[in-house]
Formats: sequence, C-alpha cells, structure tokens
Amino acid sequence: AQKVTQAQTEISVVEKEDVTLDCVYETRDTTYYLFWYKQPPSGELVFLIRRNSFDEQNEISGRYSWNFQKSTSSFNFTITASQVVDSAVYFCALSGKGTGNQFYFGTGTSLTVIP
Amino acid sequence: DAGVIQSPRHEVTEMGQEVTLRCKPISGHNSLFWYRQTMMRGLELLIYFNNNVPIDDSGMPEDRFSAKMPNASFSTLKIQPSEPRDSAVYFCASSELGGANTEAFFGQGTRLTVV
Repeated sequence: AQKVTQAQTEISVVEKEDVTLDCVYETRDTTYYLFWYKQPPSGELVFLIRRNSFDEQNEISGRYSWNFQKSTSSFNFTITASQVVDSAVYFCALSGKGTGNQFYFGTGTSLTVIP
Repeated sequence: DAGVIQSPRHEVTEMGQEVTLRCKPISGHNSLFWYRQTMMRGLELLIYFNNNVPIDDSGMPEDRFSAKMPNASFSTLKIQPSEPRDSAVYFCASSELGGANTEAFFGQGTRLTVV
C-alpha cells in the first residue's frame, strides 16, 4: 500500500523561528519519488522539491532544507528563520510504480507564522 | 510557458445542472491529472491520463463524473447532474513523464459551488 502521513495538522510559530514539517511514507516500491508542495492562501499548489529514493543527500535551498531518511521512511521539511510569507498548507506526496505513476498526497500541514 | 491553465476559476451552479471544467496542460507534458480538494477528504485523484489515454479513473466518484482528453492540449471534466456535495476546488495538473520521476505542475484550480 502507498501512504503518506503528515501527522501535524496545524503548526503555529513566531516569525524567525525554525519549524520542521514531518512526512512519513509507506511504499513497497524499491524506486519511488517524494515531493513537497506549498499551497498559500491564494490556493494554488506550488512545487517545491522532488527526491528520488536512491538519493539520500539532504538538500538546502535558501531557508528551506529537506531531510530524507530511508531508514525511518521520512522526508521532513525544515524552514529556517520563518517568515509570514511562509504561512501556507504544505503537502508531502509520493509516487512510484506501485502508485501507477500517480501522486499520493498527505493530508497537509497548515503552517501559520505569526509576526 | 504559461503553466497549466484552468477555466473557469469560479463556477456557481444550481443542483442538477451540467458543469464542465476545462484544462490546458503545459505543452510537451504527456500526463494529465484531475484532482478534487475538499476540507473533509483533502486532495483526491479523480483520473489520470497518459498520452491522452485514461489510465486510471478509479477515483471518479460516480457515473455523474466524466473526463475526456481529445488531444494533448485540452481536457475536460464534466459533472452531470451536479449535486451540492460536488462543491470543491478542482485542480488539473500535468507532468512531463507521468508521476514516477517528474513533478506535477498544477493549475490555479476551479472553485465549484453547487447550490
């Protein structure tokens, strides 16, 4: 079964704090792909990152960083020095042959950054 | 590229009426996805096309829903007859090679309200 779990439904932080959004996945595929998307209040879904299952290197992009750990089936997302503009719903997603090349999304984590 | 284009952005219709949602994927993308987003159920995949052929429509709620992709640059999602429980945001997304190893890019969505 393919499954993505985002246990944190809502998170609130004060501006400039660091925040980590958790994502845990289940898959039987040996090759799979993980994604993070951002949905700001305006409603569109914005692609942030794609990770292949055979590449466990962490990635940093500005204030964003991603920690992929196959041993714990996790793909966590950290925002450093959060800003009000980071307020959004963040979705983790999984795809692979077992999903029929479809994207399976978690239920999302709503992040509110308080000024 | 203009990205995935959906129309209309907002649709309000009366119960029992036919509704047609439209999508223009990114040029050169071979896969197209229709998703529905509600507070209760999150992001649900309705149907997935690859090279204009429906691959998996198991997410289509019932016979009132139908989707077509007559060519590589256009897809429609039709609801006939519409019901209040169909009220949701409907997203169209496209990807270059299908979900397995390429990300999906989403349109801005159509907010459907059935009264």
